[in-house]
Formats: sequence, C-alpha cells, structure tokens
Amino acid sequence: GQNIDQPTEMTATEGAIVQINCTYQTSGFNGLFWYQQHAGEAPTFLSYNVLDGLEEKGRFSSFLSRSKGYSYLLLKELQMKDSASYLCAVKAPPNSGYSTLTFGKGTMLLVSP
Amino acid sequence: NAGVTQTPKFRVLKTGQSMTLLCAQDMNHEYMYWYRQDPGMGLRLIHYSVGEGTTAKGEVPDGYNVSRLKKQNFLLGLESAAPSQTSVYFCASSYATGLPTDTQYFGPGTRLTVL
Repeated sequence: GQNIDQPTEMTATEGAIVQINCTYQTSGFNGLFWYQQHAGEAPTFLSYNVLDGLEEKGRFSSFLSRSKGYSYLLLKELQMKDSASYLCAVKAPPNSGYSTLTFGKGTMLLVSP
Repeated sequence: NAGVTQTPKFRVLKTGQSMTLLCAQDMNHEYMYWYRQDPGMGLRLIHYSVGEGTTAKGEVPDGYNVSRLKKQNFLLGLESAAPSQTSVYFCASSYATGLPTDTQYFGPGTRLTVL
C-alpha cells in the first residue's frame, strides 16, 4: 500500500519562499508528482521527480530523496495567485502493465500581502 | 483542443436515484481515470481504464460502475445513489508509455450532491 503525508495548511507572505514537504511509505515507487489545485478547479501538473535531486522549473522546484521517502516543493517569489492546494502523488510501479497515482491529502497554502 | 471535459458540472440526486457522469478527452490518451475528492480525504481513485473495453477497480470502487466503449469516452455510473457519494468527481487521462512521466490531465470536475 501507499501512505503519503503532507502538512494540512501553510501560510506565507508575498515575495517570500515556502517549502512544502511530502513523505511517503510505499510498496513500490516509480515517480513522484506535484499538482496545484486552486479552489473549485481541477488539479494541474507542476512537476515530477524520478531520480534523487532537484528539478527546477522557473519559480517552482521539486526535490526527491528516494532513500528517505521524502520530497519537497519549493516556491520562490511567492505571489497571491500561488494561494492554492498542493498535492503530492506517488506513482506505483506497473502492476500487470498498469501504473496508477496515489495522492496525499494536499497542503493548503495561503499567501498574504 | 478541449482537453478533458466532464458533463454535467453540477447535479443533485435523491437517495436511490441513478445517474451517469460522462468524461471525454481529445488527446488520444490510452488511460482514463475517475477520482472522487472529499474534504480532508484528498483524491481517491474509483476506477480506471487502460484502453477501450478495459476497466479496473481503484481504491474506492464500491457503488460505482464504469464503461469505456470508445477510446475518448469514460462513463461513471451510480446505480443507486447514497448520501455518502456526495463529492466532487474528477476525470483524468494520460498517455500509456509506461514511463514515469505519463502526466495525468484532469477535467473540471462534477459536483454531485445526494440528498
């Protein structure tokens, strides 16, 4: 099975940097994904990590340590529009050729002026 | 290119009624998924499909049925709705390259209330 933990809520100030952590305990691993979900909208893909290390994409970066079962999403130069829920998801290895995502419960980030 | 679309956007049902939610994608994706999202529970996989005519159970399949008669469509059915099925339902689709980078693209969601 999969167990994914992330903080329920975080607050930060516009212009600051925030790090959202995700820890996972899984029976298999084939990648870790981060999604952003604004209130009342669909999740949208932000980043993924397969190998250990940091992946950078503009203001967003994601880090993975497979040995520690740990990932974080780093958001720099925070903007008001970054207020959203951030979902961590682990991809299981293919089972009979199929591979699905298991999502954490999400971290609600509130950015204040 | 509309991506993933879902109909209807909102629906209110009485306990015991049935309904079908429709998901359509125009990206020629092999995989399609149905999730439900409840406060404090995150996204949970109901059923998924790895190709036309093939479906499989996810984490919370009880009370739901699905069909994938055409590659671009994935239907979710509730035969006898219960208040516990009040939720927001999301459909998603992805390529099936087998690589970890098969990103899932989500539809806008259907907000269902069962009274």
